[in-house]
Amino acid sequence: AQSVTQLGSHVSVSEGALVLLRCNYSSSVPPYLFWYVQYPNQGLQLLLKYTSAATLVKGINGFEAEFKKSETSFHLTKPSAHMSDAAEYFCAVTSNTGNQFYFGTGTSLTVIP
Amino acid sequence: GAGVSQSPSNKVTEKGKDVELRCDPISGHTALYWYRQSLGQGLEFLIYFQGNSAPDKSGLPSDRFSAERTGGSVSTLTIQRTQQEDSAVYLCASNTITGTGELFFGEGSRLTVL
Repeated sequence: AQSVTQLGSHVSVSEGALVLLRCNYSSSVPPYLFWYVQYPNQGLQLLLKYTSAATLVKGINGFEAEFKKSETSFHLTKPSAHMSDAAEYFCAVTSNTGNQFYFGTGTSLTVIP
Repeated sequence: GAGVSQSPSNKVTEKGKDVELRCDPISGHTALYWYRQSLGQGLEFLIYFQGNSAPDKSGLPSDRFSAERTGGSVSTLTIQRTQQEDSAVYLCASNTITGTGELFFGEGSRLTVL
């Protein structure tokens, strides 16, 4: 089965600084990879997804992620953090059949003014 | 509907009572998933429906938990004889296997067992 590891359960950055949230998946390449964001008391919202069309994926709110097969990684970045980016971020992958979704344990992002 | 709808949004119950949580997926979505999110924790998979059948119910924590889906649409998650450790946010998500693969989430049902 697939598995996802998110390094760092809590990340703090200053407003305007680079955001880097790490995600590694297990060795077999999944069909899809995702980043979701969860704001307080809300459900999960899709930030971006990788579907093998391009290794660099651009999402909403200025976020992007790069799929690196050699590193089995799909790290999420944003050049300049905004206060509104403070939220919980989840990385997820699908099974080879695409029917199962495996989520990381999440990274809580704090943005310091 | 336009999005995944879950009800109730908040439920407070006493230990030992039964609760039902409802999920109305996006119209036309054949797949439906239930997850549990405990305070400060990630998403714990509970069960997955394809149409009205559940190919994978391996995540249900105990036999107190059950779920059904009727008409290929609405799903109900039932927790019998609730325990305090059942307190969590229960998230429902749906997608279509002919679509783009992403899950669409509801806003969750927050269950508090006193």
